[in-house]
Amino acid sequence: AQKVTQAQTEISVVEKEDVTLDCVYETRDTTYYLFWYKQPPSGELVFLIRRNSFDEQNEISGRYSWNFQKSTSSFNFTITASQVVDSAVYFCALSEAIGGNNHKLIWGLGTSLAVNP
Amino acid sequence: DAGVTQSPTHLIKTRGQQVTLRCSPKSGHDTVSWYQQALGQGPQFIFQYYEEEERQRGNFPDRFSGHQFPNYSSELNVNALLLGDSALYLCASSLPDRASNVRYGYTFGSGTRLTVV
Repeated sequence: AQKVTQAQTEISVVEKEDVTLDCVYETRDTTYYLFWYKQPPSGELVFLIRRNSFDEQNEISGRYSWNFQKSTSSFNFTITASQVVDSAVYFCALSEAIGGNNHKLIWGLGTSLAVNP
Repeated sequence: DAGVTQSPTHLIKTRGQQVTLRCSPKSGHDTVSWYQQALGQGPQFIFQYYEEEERQRGNFPDRFSGHQFPNYSSELNVNALLLGDSALYLCASSLPDRASNVRYGYTFGSGTRLTVV
């Protein structure tokens, strides 16, 4: 069955430190998509990135970077020079085809990141 | 351009009552998915609506039902509320990717926080 594991429940760092959030997934699909979302205390899920299973290139967006390794079924997320505004719960999610061209998302339990001044 | 709008933002209901939650998708999005997020957990897929029909359902009892209207907005109804139904209910809308026609781009609302007492 599809599964997403985020082994780190909580992480606390001091501002300007780099931090990596781990995500390991299991899927039987040959084509799938991986996502990272940020959930601040307000509750809204903010989309950060989507990665196609055929595209293993790492991606960098400002202070954010993602390392996708299909061989180890991992899709890790690194924040460089963390800031207090990065404090939130971060979710990794995996798409599962549900018929037609539709998908649902399978979510990890999330990693709560606290960045302290 | 308004994103996904959910109402109400907070709701308190008594066990056994019925509740209706509402969602207006992002402009141009024709598919609506509902997720339940219990405290400290990742979201769980409830169901997805497209063309006014329920396309796929997660592992939720029949007490959970929904509807999609011609303008793509959606309602989630929960009957005979249980204490365990207390959660953040998230609505996500999507439309097909232009290149692949796959629906995987989800925009989430801020959610409705339901408390059952």
